[in-house]
Amino acid sequence: KQEVTQIPAALSVPEGENLVLNCSFTDSAIYNLQWFRQDPGKGLTSLLLIQSSQREQTSGRLNASLDKSSGRSTLYIAASQPGDSATYLCAVSLSNTGNQFYFGTGTSLTVIP
Amino acid sequence: DTGVSQNPRHKITKRGQNVTFRCDPISEHNRLYWYRQTLGQGPEFLTYFQNEAQLEKSRLLSDRFSAERPKGSFSTLEIQRTEQGDSAMYLCASSTGHRNTEAFFGQGTRLTVV
Repeated sequence: KQEVTQIPAALSVPEGENLVLNCSFTDSAIYNLQWFRQDPGKGLTSLLLIQSSQREQTSGRLNASLDKSSGRSTLYIAASQPGDSATYLCAVSLSNTGNQFYFGTGTSLTVIP
Repeated sequence: DTGVSQNPRHKITKRGQNVTFRCDPISEHNRLYWYRQTLGQGPEFLTYFQNEAQLEKSRLLSDRFSAERPKGSFSTLEIQRTEQGDSAMYLCASSTGHRNTEAFFGQGTRLTVV
């Protein structure tokens, strides 16, 4: 079974800092990896999707990288803002099914004004 | 179309009652997923539809749970004889029929069983 781990579980940074969130997965045969944001009590908002053939994706201040061979992905957030405060979740889908996502438990980010 | 819509947003029910949730996916999205999320955890897969066909079910989906997607459009998730352990956020997601495409989630239905 695919296990997805996110480190750290919680992170607090002052506004303006650049930061990196980590995601690791045990089965490297993935189809894609997706990063989500979740605000308290809300659903998930898709941030970035990286296909298995890609190494990184960028959207605004966000950059996600993927290293399949080592089973790792990072989400880089530049110039953090208080509005970035949320829980960030990574999810992978596997080659053998490609249908369901396996989620990590998330990193809770607080950006202090 | 503004995204995946789920109703109701919140549901409080007494133990033993039946509840039904509805999910309206993004138009023309063939794939529809149900997930369950408890506090402090990531979402866990429950079931998946390709059009109207239910193709995968997790072992988390006990016989008290049933999901349908008639006509391949909206989907319903019913929980019979609810238990306190069913209290969770139930999330619906949809995607196109292509393998490497984004999944888009709804706002979820928060179920509280008292």
